[in-house]
Amino acid sequence: GDSVTQMEGPVTLSEEAFLTINCTYTATGYPSLFWYVQYPGEGLQLLLKATKADDKGSNKGFEATYRKETTSFHLEKGSVQVSDSAVYFCALSDRSSASKIIFGSGTRLSIRP
Amino acid sequence: NAGVTQTPKFQVLKTGQSMTLQCAQDMNHEYMSWYRQDPGMGLRLIHYSVGAGITDQGEVPNGYNVSRSTTEDFPLRLLSAAPSQTSVYFCASSAGQVRTDTQYFGPGTRLTVL
Repeated sequence: GDSVTQMEGPVTLSEEAFLTINCTYTATGYPSLFWYVQYPGEGLQLLLKATKADDKGSNKGFEATYRKETTSFHLEKGSVQVSDSAVYFCALSDRSSASKIIFGSGTRLSIRP
Repeated sequence: NAGVTQTPKFQVLKTGQSMTLQCAQDMNHEYMSWYRQDPGMGLRLIHYSVGAGITDQGEVPNGYNVSRSTTEDFPLRLLSAAPSQTSVYFCASSAGQVRTDTQYFGPGTRLTVL
């Protein structure tokens, strides 16, 4: 079945460091891919998405490119801030499961001032 | 615009008790769903609804019931709580196809079953 695998956390970086959170997926067909972010004490919010191969999603300085050949959707940011501390979830939705989103286990990111 | 609201924020139950977690949205979204979030396991889909009067099971439906009598409300019922249902529960909604549309999440309900 469909699945999403994320790098395990926690990830701790210093402010202004470069961030990469790896995400790979297994799916039948051509899924849409998402990154959601959960700030402490809150629900999830959509960070960015890509609905077809080679699309790049971007928001708030974060980027991720839909790579069909490597089945990946890695999240990157050039210079992280303390306010980026949160849990990040990679997710997919496939044509075969049009009403469902499958989430990865989440990666906790902590940024040191 | 309140978005997706959930009540209560916290709840402690004893094994065997029943309760209903409330979820409401004011965005006229057709699609609503319930997830549970457990450490190291991400979010798992419990039940979902593609419109009023229509519900279906997700990945982990056992022990939970839902109904969708209106577009706005999607309550989740625990008929006989068990310690394995200790979790954080999130309700979400989207305007249309989950495949392309943004899901909007509520703030969550933290449930502890003793």
